[in-house]
Amino acid sequence: AQSVTQPDIHITVSEGASLELRCNYSYGATPYLFWYVQSPGQGLQLLLKYFSGDTLVQGIKGFEAEFKRSQSSFNLRKPSVHWSDAAEYFCAVKGNKLVFGAGTILRVKS
Amino acid sequence: GAGVSQSPSNKVTEKGKDVELRCDPISGHTALYWYRQSLGQGLEFLIYFQGNSAPDKSGLPSDRFSAERTGGSVSTLTIQRTQQEDSAVYLCASSSSPRQNTEAFFGQGTRLTVV
Repeated sequence: AQSVTQPDIHITVSEGASLELRCNYSYGATPYLFWYVQSPGQGLQLLLKYFSGDTLVQGIKGFEAEFKRSQSSFNLRKPSVHWSDAAEYFCAVKGNKLVFGAGTILRVKS
Repeated sequence: GAGVSQSPSNKVTEKGKDVELRCDPISGHTALYWYRQSLGQGLEFLIYFQGNSAPDKSGLPSDRFSAERTGGSVSTLTIQRTQQEDSAVYLCASSSSPRQNTEAFFGQGTRLTVV
């Protein structure tokens, strides 16, 4: 069965600083990986997805993620955080069903 | 419709009552998921429907929870004899196929409060 671990419950970064949100997955076959964002009062929106090929994938809003098979990781990054990025971020893996991690709440301080 | 629609958006019920939550997926989407989102608990998988296949019910927390999907479209999640710990946001998602490389689109959720 697949599972996802997001080790950081909360992260606070200064506006303009770089960001990395960690995600580790467990799945016996080729993983299909996703990052979603949930802004306050909003539904979940897909940021990016990885299926195969280039291990660095680009998403919306300036986000990117790198798939590292040897580390079973799919960390989300952004070079310069904006105040509007404050939200909850979810990593997910799709095997026979779509399973999410517990989420990381991002706070941005000015 | 243009997106996944869930109703009601908010529901307050008394402990012990039954509730039904509705999900209208995107037209033509064959896969449908239900999740529960409690404070600090992330998205907990509940049940997955795919076409005419038997649903994956492995995430339902107790036999008070059940779901059906009629005609491969609308789905209803039923919680019987509600308890306070059932209070959460219930999210529905649909995707165009069971293939692993298809993304899921989410509704706005139903916030259930059991008093």
